[in-house]
Amino acid sequence: KNEVEQSPQNLTAQEGEFITINCSYSVGISALHWLQQHPGGGIVSLFMLSSGKKKHGRLIATINIQEKHSSLHITASHPRDSAVYICAVMNYGGATNKLIFGTGTLLAVQP
Amino acid sequence: DTGVSQDPRHKITKRGQNVTFRCDPISEHNRLYWYRQTLGQGPEFLTYFQNEAQLEKSRLLSDRFSAERPKGSFSTLEIQRTEQGDSAMYLCASSLARVGTVNTEAFFGQGTRLTVV
Repeated sequence: KNEVEQSPQNLTAQEGEFITINCSYSVGISALHWLQQHPGGGIVSLFMLSSGKKKHGRLIATINIQEKHSSLHITASHPRDSAVYICAVMNYGGATNKLIFGTGTLLAVQP
Repeated sequence: DTGVSQDPRHKITKRGQNVTFRCDPISEHNRLYWYRQTLGQGPEFLTYFQNEAQLEKSRLLSDRFSAERPKGSFSTLEIQRTEQGDSAMYLCASSLARVGTVNTEAFFGQGTRLTVV
């Protein structure tokens, strides 16, 4: 079983829909990242959070430390949001702050 | 500074050849990470540098792989005697760790896509 699990693995939505991607993890963490990866390969950090909720534009990320669960929400989705969204955690107590990644959620937003 | 840059973006090589990738982190970032991502999977940790010191290596990093960060700035990842199984995206990330700060945000490069034929 992977230490970081994401669901769904694939998601197709119509433009304008509200989208939720979920992430569950089984290790103690100090922080969680939500990342976006486009077909070219480069990864962009969307959020780093260790508690509560963060919002940036149409993106909202929440985390529940007790339940070891995080969600990424996209409001008013747009075709340009189509990408792979990856959840990654920083293992608590690790000196390196290396990330443990989920396998990603492939999102396709259709016009 | 435009972020983390990696070179080359793409590399096609014949099995058995050696390849070297370069990563230039964000200036003054003291931490540098290499990750490997195969098709359909999330990235996996390979190795980590704090300044010029290589402090951790994954068991994924066989003896054909070597990484350096000689002056604590750019880093190179070399793969000797490449195998088809080495085909992957190699990602570099950097971060700035400050005394007293637990969590450090990682910034990623565009990656080097290696294809071994």
